[in-house]
Amino acid sequence: DIQMTQSPSSLSASVGDRVTITCRASQSISTHLNWYQQKLGKAPKLLIYGASTLQSGVPSRFSGGGSGADFTLTISSLQPEDFATYYCQQSYSIPSTFGQGTRLDTK
Amino acid sequence: QLQLQESGPGLVKPSETLSLTCTVSGGSISSESYYWGWIRQTPGKGLEWIGSIYYSGSTYYNPSLKTRVTMSVDTSKNQFSLKLYSVTAADTAVYYCARRNKIHGSGDHWGQGTLVTVSS
Repeated sequence: DIQMTQSPSSLSASVGDRVTITCRASQSISTHLNWYQQKLGKAPKLLIYGASTLQSGVPSRFSGGGSGADFTLTISSLQPEDFATYYCQQSYSIPSTFGQGTRLDTK
Repeated sequence: QLQLQESGPGLVKPSETLSLTCTVSGGSISSESYYWGWIRQTPGKGLEWIGSIYYSGSTYYNPSLKTRVTMSVDTSKNQFSLKLYSVTAADTAVYYCARRNKIHGSGDHWGQGTLVTVSS
């Protein structure tokens, strides 16, 4: 299985901050990388697919980058509703696997 | 607006079979562009992909669960189902159904999730 490692595991930030989360795959996955946001008690919500394509309806302050084994999710200016847990997922090979999550909370 | 809704028992005894159904509304399960899948989440192991099924009945299972999983689809009811056999406490989790894009492999619509507890 491809292992997905996110860093940091948790992050404290303030409204208006620029935040970057990193996801590293244990092997190259091209751009088969997706990002999700999950709020407490809710299902994950797709933010970005194909490493950098914004899902319809997702604010443009979210962006994704990277290819191969290293990827980033950036929030350009944190809004109050962005405090949540973020997950990356590789869809390059079966089984699809997720990172362990990055919890983003308010400083 | 596409919606997915999981249903099934919230409590299953050890060694028995966990059975869940996902009902899709607002769209057709027979779309050629999507797979339909199950994912579970536990505090300890995080998010774990269980498997996916196409409207034709083709299935893809996580090898770690393959010997205990069966998925099926009922296009007439716009539903797909999960059976997990010989469950243990380790199978206690929130189970989600989701629609998975066939090209990107991303889950673009998810059910709300249902907690299944394995306990006697």
